[in-house]
Amino acid sequence: EAGVAQSPRYKIIEKRQSVAFWCNPISGHATLYWYQQILGQGPKLLIQFQNNGVVDDSQLPKDRFSAERLKGVDSTLKIQPAKLEDSAVYLCASSPLAGVYTDTQYFGPGTRLTVL
Amino acid sequence: AQTVTQSQPEMSVQEAETVTLSCTYDTSESDYYLFWYKQPPSRQMILVIRQEAYKQQNATENRFSVNFQKAAKSFSLKISDSQLGDAAMYFCAYRGPSGFNKFYFGSGTKLNVKP
Repeated sequence: EAGVAQSPRYKIIEKRQSVAFWCNPISGHATLYWYQQILGQGPKLLIQFQNNGVVDDSQLPKDRFSAERLKGVDSTLKIQPAKLEDSAVYLCASSPLAGVYTDTQYFGPGTRLTVL
Repeated sequence: AQTVTQSQPEMSVQEAETVTLSCTYDTSESDYYLFWYKQPPSRQMILVIRQEAYKQQNATENRFSVNFQKAAKSFSLKISDSQLGDAAMYFCAYRGPSGFNKFYFGSGTKLNVKP
């Protein structure tokens, strides 16, 4: 089965510019997660979707970050405007709602963002 | 909020030797899930092993096994017969009992494997 897809893999922008990331989860996975992983740290959850509804976005900086998951499949994460401290790897993960492994996440390759 | 602590930022092991990575967590839940994820340099994170808290038996996956001490809230990973390909960042993670619960990750342990 195909894994979690993300694009782009790398992005370099100037501060105050906007950027968007795309994620396509594993087919049939109802839950989708966006994480921010700053160099040398563990992933921090930004937002969690169940189908196209938001389950948790308590750590999403809503003044500059937004995310949507239309039709409960793929998702986009946007930063507008970007700050230097947003430089990180943005990871997307998904997990199934039914079956044996509903508790397990499957990660995409990530998007490495550099803000200059 | 739940917290996950990995107190070893970096560890080294000789090829073919055994190494143990430590993880402690804090929770008030009685049922939950624990995971070890591996993140090789510039590659994506993959699941190494998972443990359900209600199971007393420690999980094992080939050369990887855990020592789950529920009362002590400890969840260590043992890698036997270490291989060069085991070199990576290892993250311990916790998730509550519900599918709506979010995952909490530790800060990671960098494992070096020496030939």
